[in-house]
Amino acid sequence: GDSVTQMEGPVTLSEEAFLTINCTYTATGYPSLFWYVQYPGEGLQLLLKATKADDKGSNKGFEATYRKETTSFHLEKGSVQVSDSAVYFCALLRGQNFVFGPGTRLSVLP
Amino acid sequence: DVKVTQSSRYLVKRTGEKVFLECVQDMDHENMFWYRQDPGLGLRLIYFSYDVKMKEKGDIPEGYSVSREKKERFSLILESASTNQTSMYLCASRTPSGIYNEQFFGPGTRLTVL
Repeated sequence: GDSVTQMEGPVTLSEEAFLTINCTYTATGYPSLFWYVQYPGEGLQLLLKATKADDKGSNKGFEATYRKETTSFHLEKGSVQVSDSAVYFCALLRGQNFVFGPGTRLSVLP
Repeated sequence: DVKVTQSSRYLVKRTGEKVFLECVQDMDHENMFWYRQDPGLGLRLIYFSYDVKMKEKGDIPEGYSVSREKKERFSLILESASTNQTSMYLCASRTPSGIYNEQFFGPGTRLTVL
């Protein structure tokens, strides 16, 4: 069945460092892909999405490109801030339902 | 501002108790979902509903049931709580598939079963 794999966390970075969180998926066809973020004590919220191959989603300085050749949707940010500390979930849309990865916890130190 | 609310942020229950988790959304969404979130496992779908009085099993429905009597409200029921149901429970809602695929989540209920 459809599945999403993310890099193991936690990831700890210093402020202004470059961030990459890897995400790969297994699915039939070409599903829409998403990154959701969960800040401490809150529910998940949409960070960015891409609906077809080679699309780039972007928001709040984060970017991810839909790569069908490598079935990947890696999340990147050029300069992280302390306020980016959160858990990041990669997900795909399977019909009406989402399939989520296990999440990657990011801690950014001042 | 769109909102999904859950009845409790923290809940402590004893083994064998019947537990109700309530979720309400104010966006007139047709689709509603219940997930549990566990470390290293991410979000796993328990049940979902595409319409009032309609329900479908997700990936891990065992030990749970749901109720959707009104469009805005989706309840998760643990008929006889067990310690392995200690978890974070997240409710979500969205419109059916289309260009607006975003799913909106509530803040979660952290349930501890003793």
